[in-house]
Amino acid sequence: GAGVSQSPRYKVTKRGQDVALRCDPISGHVSLYWYRQALGQGPEFLTYFNYEAQQDKSGLPNDRFSAERPEGSISTLTIQRTEQRDSAMYRCASSSTRSPYNEQFFGPGTRLTVL
Amino acid sequence: DQQVKQNSPSLSVQEGRISILNCDYTNSMFDYFLWYKKYPAEGPTFLISISSIKDKNEDGRFTVFLNKSAKHLSLHIVPSQPGDSAVYFCAASLNYGQNFVFGPGTRLSVLP
Repeated sequence: GAGVSQSPRYKVTKRGQDVALRCDPISGHVSLYWYRQALGQGPEFLTYFNYEAQQDKSGLPNDRFSAERPEGSISTLTIQRTEQRDSAMYRCASSSTRSPYNEQFFGPGTRLTVL
Repeated sequence: DQQVKQNSPSLSVQEGRISILNCDYTNSMFDYFLWYKKYPAEGPTFLISISSIKDKNEDGRFTVFLNKSAKHLSLHIVPSQPGDSAVYFCAASLNYGQNFVFGPGTRLSVLP
């Protein structure tokens, strides 16, 4: 079956531009998570949703970062006025309340490079 | 300050032998732990989990041990196979999975 998909897979942008990263979770998964992963590090939590409600955004680094999931399915992570320090792999994951393990299924990620 | 630590960035093991990957955490309120495996150019995939009410969970060749008093968990793979070569992430959460904190990962190489 289809897993979590993310687009674009690679994004190169100039400093100061806005970017929008898309996540398409596994169909029917209630929870959706956004992570940022620096090279050689584990995923760092940014925010998560249950259905369309943003439950926790404590990991968003500053107000240039925002996320939405308006219909409880696809989610968009937006970074405004990008800076070079925003360069990283951005990963999305989804999970189902029916899973006994609460495991998160990760997408392939979007590698963002800010020049 | 890292709440979840994996102090060995890499580990090499001979095929057929045991691989032991270690993870330490600082927050005694963590109640649920997972291990993820990641191949190059792919997202992490779930491997095995353990809740804080247990001290061991086994699934085939994979066993996770939890020592709450030491705030330490370990993943044992036996026997190790070349296909196990990957980066392994330990993750911990509060409230049984609401918000996971990941360690930096350990790269395991299983040599044929």
